[in-house]
Amino acid sequence: EVQLVESGGGLVQPGGSLRLSCAASGFTFRNYWMSWVRQAPGKGLEWVANIKEDGSEKYFVDSVRGRFTISRDNAKNSLYLQMNNLRAEDTAEYYCARDKGLELPSDYWGQGTLVTVSS
Amino acid sequence: DIVMTQSPDSLAVSLGERATINCRSSQSDLYSSNNKYNVAWYQQKPGQSPKLLIYWASTRESGVPDRFSGSGSGTDFTLTISSLQAEDVAVYYCQQYYSTPYTFGQGTKLEI
Repeated sequence: EVQLVESGGGLVQPGGSLRLSCAASGFTFRNYWMSWVRQAPGKGLEWVANIKEDGSEKYFVDSVRGRFTISRDNAKNSLYLQMNNLRAEDTAEYYCARDKGLELPSDYWGQGTLVTVSS
Repeated sequence: DIVMTQSPDSLAVSLGERATINCRSSQSDLYSSNNKYNVAWYQQKPGQSPKLLIYWASTRESGVPDRFSGSGSGTDFTLTISSLQAEDVAVYYCQQYYSTPYTFGQGTKLEI
């Protein structure tokens, strides 16, 4: 059974940093693109970033480029999102998702971890 | 960025009736290398993560009931629920995965 479990969320002050983790199991992690998608409270879905199977390609939405970094450790079956210089508008539930394949959408999602940016 | 615009924002349908949700993209050539449209539909129930329903605009994900269907071409795509069940109450999102950032529509809230 595919499982994605996010962790690392919490309350952080504006300008602060946080590192999210996603532990994957139930599939061959190194064979899949992975994504982060967020959802502000009561709002819609926003795609944040994704990373190729071997980590050689990474893409970001403009609003986080230069502040967020996506990475993975295939030996540990883990995906990460390093978030720096956080803003109030980054407050959201952050979901880790597996991309179904090349040129395919996300087919499995974690339960999310909440990031709150507030003083 | 490609903008995906859904209509309506909310929809109330009676049990057993048909529900139709529309999605319009700001770009027309959302073709993948296999000449299929890189458009997906997701269902999100309250307090849950999104669930993939449809990809390539019309291919149903494994395990999704056949009352859910997707169609469309060009810039206009549609999710249809042929006979609404109580468990279909949710917010539905379209998404283009043709080019990054993979943008979502604003969501359509489906109620009974």
